[in-house]
Amino acid sequence: DQQVKQNSPSLSVQEGRISILNCDYTNSMFDYFLWYKKYPAEGPTFLISISSIKDKNEDGRFTVFLNKSAKHLSLHIVPSQPGDSAVYFCAYKTNTDKLIFGTGTRLQVFP
Amino acid sequence: KAGVTQTPRYLIKTRGQQVTLSCSPISGHRSVSWYQQTPGQGLQFLFEYFSETQRNKGNFPGRFSGRQFSNSRSEMNVSTLELGDSALYLCASSPGHQGATYGYTFGSGTRLTVV
Repeated sequence: DQQVKQNSPSLSVQEGRISILNCDYTNSMFDYFLWYKKYPAEGPTFLISISSIKDKNEDGRFTVFLNKSAKHLSLHIVPSQPGDSAVYFCAYKTNTDKLIFGTGTRLQVFP
Repeated sequence: KAGVTQTPRYLIKTRGQQVTLSCSPISGHRSVSWYQQTPGQGLQFLFEYFSETQRNKGNFPGRFSGRQFSNSRSEMNVSTLELGDSALYLCASSPGHQGATYGYTFGSGTRLTVV
């Protein structure tokens, strides 16, 4: 029973273009959604979060959009850079502080 | 500030054996959570410890257990290892205040291979 789904296991984008990573969820009881980025042989690193009361949060090249009616979350990276190549996980934080992760999307940014 | 330290980095065990993994959180952090990462399954929550008490638990069998010491260091134990337990085990630390808005800080993980 996957409560957070990232339906695209991989995405390939040209450098300078926009990368859009998507996430769907089933549970409406959450406080925050978070995005994590993971390089091979390293732990995930926190990227950006969004509160359940907002529909957009921006931090530099990264913007997260939340559509509560569609239960859909997306991360936009503009412009994409080769260093952004990694696996991206979306996760939501429950009211008991558990993080429930999606299965991840591998982003490859090519020159 | 030192990050989250997990030891060992790599481990190879035989089916039926048991294994203990260690996690030292960021100094001052009181919460340690454990996750299992396998291909296609993402990161799955195992359990969380806060002030030496298990505060949250995921849906893993009783072969998976953990504990936390008074210095907040945590250990995870898996008994009677199965091939399917091969995975990257990650721990994450946080100050532990419920309802806070920050994310967790992860260690680099322990890669466990069961043969």
